[in-house]
Amino acid sequence: ELKVEQNPLFLSMQEGKNYTIYCNYSTTSDRLYWYRQDPGKSLESLFVLLSNGAVKQEGRLMASLDTKARLSTLHITAAVHDLSATYFCAVDNNNDMRFGAGTRLTVKP
Amino acid sequence: EPEVTQTPSHQVTQMGQEVILRCVPISNHLYFYWYRQILGQKVEFLVSFYNNEISEKSEIFDDQFSVERPDGSNFTLKIRSTKLEDSAMYFCASGTDLSGANVLTFGAGSRLTVL
Repeated sequence: ELKVEQNPLFLSMQEGKNYTIYCNYSTTSDRLYWYRQDPGKSLESLFVLLSNGAVKQEGRLMASLDTKARLSTLHITAAVHDLSATYFCAVDNNNDMRFGAGTRLTVKP
Repeated sequence: EPEVTQTPSHQVTQMGQEVILRCVPISNHLYFYWYRQILGQKVEFLVSFYNNEISEKSEIFDDQFSVERPDGSNFTLKIRSTKLEDSAMYFCASGTDLSGANVLTFGAGSRLTVL
């Protein structure tokens, strides 16, 4: 069965700092997605990564994919409070979509 | 912007009762999913549905669960005899595998409370 592991599960960081969230998965997939969930809300798509070496950036967030290592990263640059949320990676195995446990990010002033 | 609609937003039921959660996916989407999320925890895969049949299901999706797409628009999740541990937020999602990506659109969720 496809397994998706994220770390850390909880991340508390100061505004202005940088950090990386990691997503490891167990199958040979080249389709990986990042989603954001605000408390009490649904999930929203952030990034779609479709090939080895893919890199996407939106504002202070940058996602990358290494299919050989079965690893995706979500890098946060100069964090701001608005980024506080839970971030999920999801791996697409022939449209069977499995999610990591999520990383709950809290950005403090 | 097209959206996935779920009803009810919140349902409270007694243990042992049947519950039906309803979803209207985006009209041109082909892949349909149910996930559940116990409060503050991870998003757990229940089932995926494609071409009018289940394509994958998890170990959570036992005989108490069933899905249907009765009329080409609604996508329902039925829990036959609810247990306390079924209390969770249930998310429906739909996607379409165009341009090599299946980005899911999630509904707002149905919160199920089993007493």
